[in-house]
This record gives sequence, structure tokens and C-alpha cells, in this order.
Amino acid sequence: NAGVTQTPKFRILKIGQSMTLQCTQDMNHNYMYWYRQDPGMGLKLIYYSVGAGITDKGEVPNGYNVSRSTTEDFPLRLELAAPSQTSVYFCASSSDPSGYEQYFGPGTRLTVT
Amino acid sequence: AQSVTQPDIHITVSEGASLELRCNYSYGATPYLFWYVQSPGQGLQLLLKYFSGDTLVQGIKGFEAEFKRSQSSFNLRKPSVHWSDAAEYFCAVEEEYGNKLVFGAGTILRVKS
Repeated sequence: NAGVTQTPKFRILKIGQSMTLQCTQDMNHNYMYWYRQDPGMGLKLIYYSVGAGITDKGEVPNGYNVSRSTTEDFPLRLELAAPSQTSVYFCASSSDPSGYEQYFGPGTRLTVT
Repeated sequence: AQSVTQPDIHITVSEGASLELRCNYSYGATPYLFWYVQSPGQGLQLLLKYFSGDTLVQGIKGFEAEFKRSQSSFNLRKPSVHWSDAAEYFCAVEEEYGNKLVFGAGTILRVKS
């Protein structure tokens, strides 16, 4: 049982490039989340999903896209990377939306230059 | 909208000393409240949570937190800090209609020997 895994761990992108951050969970959780973490700002929700085929925007969705074709996978797509997207990205999953623990992956550190 | 304030960005305590990390929230109803810990280079791990009932909740690693409705606070405490407790601590409140957590900006704990 690996929990929530994220790849890659680190990535440097040039402005305007695109990439996909991968997230996989093996706990059969319906709920999955993408956050970005910036120093002194805590975690901000980018997108979330309540089940396969269902996604919704969080607080800071601009510049990102997601898909949820399976229960296990929740990739985050960056199109036309910008320096403002330099951040640490965390994926999380939960078995229930209300009051239950979210399990976090180890994070992806992305730098856009 | 719900919000979480962690007034202290950094706190330094001596090993063996007691610890209290402050958290204030804004929320109309009885909130679901959480404390997460993030060790360097790691994802977030749940320390404890409050749903209802006893206002003093116990968590992992010897931590506890007390919910005080009159003060809109959910402060985290530990009677004796260990060097391994050095990390960043996040308070979070669940949004009123579930699905999403709102995080505070975090408090970085340094432990001096």
C-alpha cells in the first residue's frame, strides 16, 4: 500500500512549456485534490475531484487543467507555464469529503524560468 | 467564506519546553478543525481533528488541541517538545458544505537544544 504517489519530484520548466504532474493513489479513495504551496501562504486548492469523471475548480485554477478518468489517477496539466506557477504541488486523497483525513503525496517542486 | 489565521510565522522553543501554536478560524457553524504537520521535504500528515464533543482532542506524537468556541480558536499544544518536532504546522477548517479544506499559512517550529 503506497498511499499517494506523485511524479516527478522536481522539474524545471521554461516559460511557455507544458507538463503534466502525475498523481496516483491506491486506497480506492473517491476524493482527490491538487494544492499548491507557496512560502507563507499555506496550501491553496487548485482543483478537486469527487469521483471518476467529475472535477471542479478550487480557489486558484487558472493556468491548470485536470482529468479523472480512473479512481486511482488525477493528473494536473500545466499549459504555457509561467513564473507564477513556480511552487510546490501536492496531491491528496480522501475516502469521504466531510471530516475525514486527507492523505498527501510527497509533493512536486516545480520551477518555471 | 471560511478563513484560518495562524498568527505566528515562526516559533522557536527549547527541547523539553512546552509548546502552544495558535489557530483562529472564522466559521458560522460548528467547524471541523484539523492540525497537520509537514516535515522538511515531505507531504502533510494529520496530527489530530475536532468534529464535536469533548473540546480537548488528543493526537499523534503527544500533541493535543483545545477547541474554544467563544474565542474561535483551536490551539495546538505539547507539554514537552522533542527535536524531531521541528516542522511546519498547519491548521485547517473544513468548508461548510464539505469537500474542501481551508488552510492557514502555517507556523514553522524550530527546536533548539
